[in-house]
Amino acid sequence: EVQLVETGGGLVQPGKSLKLTCATSGFTFSNAWMDWVRQSPEKQLEWVAQIKDKSNNYATYYAESVKGRFTISRDDSKSSVYLQMNSLKEEDTAIYYCTWGYWGQGVMVTVSS
Amino acid sequence: DIVMTQAPLSVSVTPGESASISCRSSKSLLHSNGITYVYWYLQKPGKSPQLLIYRMSNLASGVPDRFSGSGSETDFTLKISRVEAEDVGIYYCGQLLENPYTFGAGTKLELK
Repeated sequence: EVQLVETGGGLVQPGKSLKLTCATSGFTFSNAWMDWVRQSPEKQLEWVAQIKDKSNNYATYYAESVKGRFTISRDDSKSSVYLQMNSLKEEDTAIYYCTWGYWGQGVMVTVSS
Repeated sequence: DIVMTQAPLSVSVTPGESASISCRSSKSLLHSNGITYVYWYLQKPGKSPQLLIYRMSNLASGVPDRFSGSGSETDFTLKISRVEAEDVGIYYCGQLLENPYTFGAGTKLELK
């Protein structure tokens, strides 16, 4: 059974940092291209970042709205993918999902003073 | 960026009847490899989105065959035959052809 479990969310002040972790199981993680997608309080889905596999040199891609502030990474030995979020803004408030076709349960990130 | 436009924004269906949701992309989603990279998801109340259809017409594992996807290069349809109570939620289409991946605004399905 495919499982993706996100952790690391919470309430943070604008300008601060947070790191999300997605632990996976049930599929060959090392071959998977992994994405982070977020859902705003208005329910709109927004793709955030992608990391490809080793055969694609772990290439990374970002939405313009987070480029330069967020960093996606992975650890194939732990079947996990991460999202380091720096210089957080109030508009980053959302539920963050780790996805590989299948979606995790999501983790809430609230940016507020 | 590729814009995904869904219609209608909401639909009310009598249980047992069928429903169709449309999605239009601002650019062809047909790759040179012959695959059309449109996906359909259902977000049930209080849950995360779940994959229903991948690559336009392929049923995801565990999804009832009451669901089907079809379309052309830019116009796509999700059909639900014999709607059941468990089908209530928000349906999203998404394009995974190129970064940034983009999604429609969602179609809310409710029962009459």
